[in-house]
Amino acid sequence: DAGITQSPRHKVTETGTPVTLRCHQTENHRYMYWYRQDPGHGLRLIHYSYGVKDTDKGEVSDGYSVSRSKTEDFLLTLESATSSQTSVYFCATKLTAGQETQYFGPGTRLLVL
Amino acid sequence: EDQVTQSPEALRLQEGESSSLNCSYTVSGLRGLFWYRQDPGKGPEFLFTLYSAGEEKEKERLKATLTKKESFLHITAPKPEDSATYLCAVQGGGGADGLTFGKGTHLIIQP
Repeated sequence: DAGITQSPRHKVTETGTPVTLRCHQTENHRYMYWYRQDPGHGLRLIHYSYGVKDTDKGEVSDGYSVSRSKTEDFLLTLESATSSQTSVYFCATKLTAGQETQYFGPGTRLLVL
Repeated sequence: EDQVTQSPEALRLQEGESSSLNCSYTVSGLRGLFWYRQDPGKGPEFLFTLYSAGEEKEKERLKATLTKKESFLHITAPKPEDSATYLCAVQGGGGADGLTFGKGTHLIIQP
């Protein structure tokens, strides 16, 4: 499994404030992903990256932006947090195209009041 | 649009009572079907990847199978430590490069 860490693991914030979540991997995987998990829904893709500075949108990207300046780090930013963004956020990585298995981090639990 | 439906939503079994979990899917150009296990408060843990109909994979008490429309996760003689939520996901050939997940099956194994 890829060595994936997420920080912070828990965060409480207020509506309207910016929030940045960090995903760090030690396996030199090319692809990185951000998902959110909510009751009644499966995990849903927010954004993903297929290389340094190469990112694209997923199913639920509105209100989120991402950046990847190094292979090992993928940042998810909520520009102005809303209560609908209260969720558990998971980062995942994949070695390369054609190796389709994704490995997940431990998650960040975000509460927006 | 890729879709994944898992059934049942929840399943309670006695220790040693074998059963199967179902994952039905529709996808444009299957690149892979995945099974994960998720424990409360943890991230999904990878179990299996299946790439083509007829493929089977086994790991301890678990066996995953794949047809053109569905996948089964067979659990043989389960133990209480097999209690978890089991997630099914697909990677399709079009659109964003990410997995489409089902809502999961919550499995409880009673001693």
